[in-house]
Amino acid sequence: GESVGLHLPTLSVQEGDNSIINCAYSNSASDYFIWYKQESGKGPQFIIDIRSNMDKRQGQRVTVLLNKTVKHLSLQIAATQPGDSAVYFCAENIGGGGADGLTFGKGTHLIIQP
Amino acid sequence: KAGVTQTPRYLIKTRGQQVTLSCSPISGHRSVSWYQQTPGQGLQFLFEYFSETQRNKGNFPGRFSGRQFSNSRSEMNVSTLELGDSALYLCATSYGLQETQYFGPGTRLLVL
Repeated sequence: GESVGLHLPTLSVQEGDNSIINCAYSNSASDYFIWYKQESGKGPQFIIDIRSNMDKRQGQRVTVLLNKTVKHLSLQIAATQPGDSAVYFCAENIGGGGADGLTFGKGTHLIIQP
Repeated sequence: KAGVTQTPRYLIKTRGQQVTLSCSPISGHRSVSWYQQTPGQGLQFLFEYFSETQRNKGNFPGRFSGRQFSNSRSEMNVSTLELGDSALYLCATSYGLQETQYFGPGTRLLVL
């Protein structure tokens, strides 16, 4: 079946550098996308979302880019800090954020090197 | 505002037993969704409740069930537990359908 996937299971970056985490999705009917951060022993934490009528959205130190042509989603984290170490999941949904459940990718483990 | 709470946080059961997990949503949130997280399958949607009604269900066997109460609190039940049911069970809540979901810390279930 169609699902959301991520390109890399692990991404290692230097503290202070910018991080880019990528995600490819295959369901062209998806119109809502979310990035979650999950730290060890905790539930996923909402970071930022974007709807399909946008191609870019910015938050505090984070930017999500959506390329519907190639069905690609990315999360950019500026000036990566040790507290950014976590597993990052992209998720997609058709028709909004909740009605049909979210489909999650496998996750990218972001490792911050000092 | 308090976040999503789940109880218990940890649970050990044996095969064949049943288990009930509880989720209390953020104040004002009326939609509750449940997810199973395992290393092999990742995060998978179980079901969603809104106004005490199941609105959608993922691809899980009938051993997995749930309900929602009038105060929006939700419970999920797994009967006849199998080893493969060992997982982190996460609850996510939102104000309504098709809105951003916020997750609780999860209940880690180990089936022996």
